[in-house]
Amino acid sequence: GNSVTQMEGPVTLSEEAFLTINCTYTATGYPSLFWYVQYPGEGLQLLLKATKADDKGSNKGFEATYRKETTSFHLEKGSVQVSDSAVYFCALSGNTGNQFYFGTGTSLTVIP
Amino acid sequence: DSGVTQTPKHLITATGQRVTLRCSPRSGDLSVYWYQQSLDQGLQFLIQYYNGEERAKGNILERFSAQQFPDLHSELNLSSLELGDSALYFCASSRSYRGYQDTQYFGPGTRLTVL
Repeated sequence: GNSVTQMEGPVTLSEEAFLTINCTYTATGYPSLFWYVQYPGEGLQLLLKATKADDKGSNKGFEATYRKETTSFHLEKGSVQVSDSAVYFCALSGNTGNQFYFGTGTSLTVIP
Repeated sequence: DSGVTQTPKHLITATGQRVTLRCSPRSGDLSVYWYQQSLDQGLQFLIQYYNGEERAKGNILERFSAQQFPDLHSELNLSSLELGDSALYFCASSRSYRGYQDTQYFGPGTRLTVL
């Protein structure tokens, strides 16, 4: 079946540090992959997505590359800011339709 | 502000009761999705409606049901409530039925507490 495994948190980084949040998936066929961000007290917001192998999604300095050979979609940012503090969710959509599968979320805190 | 509205913001009820959560999608969006976020289960996709019809089903319990009305707002009905149903329920909307391609816009959620 489909599933997403995401690196455990919480993660605490200093401002301007490099961020990597690991995400691996199990899926049949060719899923689409997503990163969502949830700021405190808010709903989820789409951060970036990739719909086929080798696609790179990017937004607000965050990047993730759809790696079919390693079934991964790791989130990276070169220099984090305090405003990036949030919970990040990796997700996939199965190729049979609109069922979505989310990872457990990784809480990121960036300290000045 | 995503443009998706959910009411009520908070709901406290007792076991065995029934509640209705309401969602209004963004203007122009035809799809509505329901999600449950709890500490032990994480974020789970429940169900999707597109233009009034059920489109995709996830881990939705038989005690739960949803519908989408002609004005496109949606309601999630939860019955015979159990303590384990306490969670944050999110609604999201998107333009088409292709949730895997469209951006989904999430509402602020309804926090349900079952005592």
